[in-house]
Amino acid sequence: DGGITQSPKYLFRKEGQNVTLSCEQNLNHDAMYWYRQDPGQGLRLIYYSQIVNDFQKGDIAEGYSVSREKKESFPLTVTSAQKNPTAFYLCASSIITGGNTEAFFGQGTRLTVV
Amino acid sequence: DQQVKQNSPSLSVQEGRISILNCDYTNSMFDYFLWYKKYPAEGPTFLISISSIKDKNEDGRFTVFLNKSAKHLSLHIVPSQPGDSAVYFCAAFGSGGSYIPTFGRGTSLIVHP
Repeated sequence: DGGITQSPKYLFRKEGQNVTLSCEQNLNHDAMYWYRQDPGQGLRLIYYSQIVNDFQKGDIAEGYSVSREKKESFPLTVTSAQKNPTAFYLCASSIITGGNTEAFFGQGTRLTVV
Repeated sequence: DQQVKQNSPSLSVQEGRISILNCDYTNSMFDYFLWYKKYPAEGPTFLISISSIKDKNEDGRFTVFLNKSAKHLSLHIVPSQPGDSAVYFCAAFGSGGSYIPTFGRGTSLIVHP
């Protein structure tokens, strides 16, 4: 079954620690994205990548880092520099086209800083 | 500056009636629009889409209307069911956004039995 998988579903982190969220897709999509969801804020773009070994900052990249060493994988690291990391994180992927397309989402990771 | 706006954070509707969710956008280079449905603690799931060359797309109980001149789209759900209760996100793709999906803040729909 093709899809996009995020792990873990729930994650707890102590203040001052870095943590990495996993995102894997087997849809053969070129583009992958990380969004953060906060109540009343909708989905805000953290980072995106449209090709392997290349990625770009989104609207709220500060305190986050990513890598794209493989087409299938786009892990997100929440660093200790992120001032308010507790949130619901969503990974998505899509084909890149000038026509119709659709972004597929993972099930999300709820990160709580304790 | 928000390029995709959903100005109603919530909507409450009686079962069997019509639900109308609205979305406005500012970037005229967006050419493909999608609606996603999201339950708490889950990822959004795709609901329906519309290309800028159309003004209407229908799929069962769901219809999306696009008014390009007004930069406005709406999602109609008829008849509404309690299982439709969720947060609905409007998203836009297009060359103006480098084909990165840009989302609105969402509208929380509650359908009362």
